[in-house]
Amino acid sequence: GAVVSQHPSWVICKSGTSVKIECRSLDFQATTMFWYRQFPKQSLMLMATSNEGSKATYEQGVEKDKFLINHASLTLSTLTVTSAHPEDSSFYICSAGTGSPYEQYFGPGTRLTVT
Amino acid sequence: AQTVTQSQPEMSVQDAETVTLSCTYDTSENNYYLFWYKQPPSRQMILVIRQEAYKQQNATENRFSVNFQKAAKSFSLKISDSQLGDTAMYFCAFMSRDYKLSFGAGTTVTVRA
Repeated sequence: GAVVSQHPSWVICKSGTSVKIECRSLDFQATTMFWYRQFPKQSLMLMATSNEGSKATYEQGVEKDKFLINHASLTLSTLTVTSAHPEDSSFYICSAGTGSPYEQYFGPGTRLTVT
Repeated sequence: AQTVTQSQPEMSVQDAETVTLSCTYDTSENNYYLFWYKQPPSRQMILVIRQEAYKQQNATENRFSVNFQKAAKSFSLKISDSQLGDTAMYFCAFMSRDYKLSFGAGTTVTVRA
C-alpha cells in the first residue's frame, strides 16, 4: 500500500512551452501533497504545499505564476511549468500525506529537460 | 524553514562494516519529527527511519539505528553490517508542525565489496 505515482517520468519540451506533471496517490486519499525540486546531486527543496480544494501555498522565492499547482481531488495533484526555460530543467518530486507526520509518501519523480 | 546540516558529503564503507552519518538541526520547536531517507540511483525516496522528538528512546529498524541527542540537536544514523544495496544518497530531514520537511544536503554512501 501507500503508493504514489508520477507521470510522466521524463519529459523533454521546447523553451516557451508548458508542461504538466501529475502526482497520484493510488491506494489512499491524500489530504496534502508537496512538490519538491531537486538539482543533480543536491538536496530536495520544497516548492509548494497543496491541500485538496484550496489554493497551493508556495515557499519563498517560488514563482506561483510559473509553477501552477492544482489539487483537484484527494488522489491527484498537478504541477504545470508554464513558459518553460532551460533553467527550469530539474527533477521534480511529489509527496502525498494523510495528515499524520508518519505518513508522507514520495513519488518516483519526473525529470524535466527544457531545450 | 528549519536548518538541517549534514557535514559529510561522502562516506565510503567496506561491506559488513559499520558507518555513521551525522546530522544536526536548528529549531526552536519542542515537538517535531526527524527522518532519514535513502535515495538510491533510481532517485526514489525511501524512508529509512524516523524519530519523534518527545521520545527519548532511539529508533531502530533492523540494521539502521539513530543516536538522537535532543539537547545537542543531533540526529546521527548508524548503518550496521553494510550491504552493497545500501549504496545511496542519505538525507536527514526535519518535519515541523505543519508537516513540511526540510532536508539536509545529503551524504553519498558507497559500500565497497
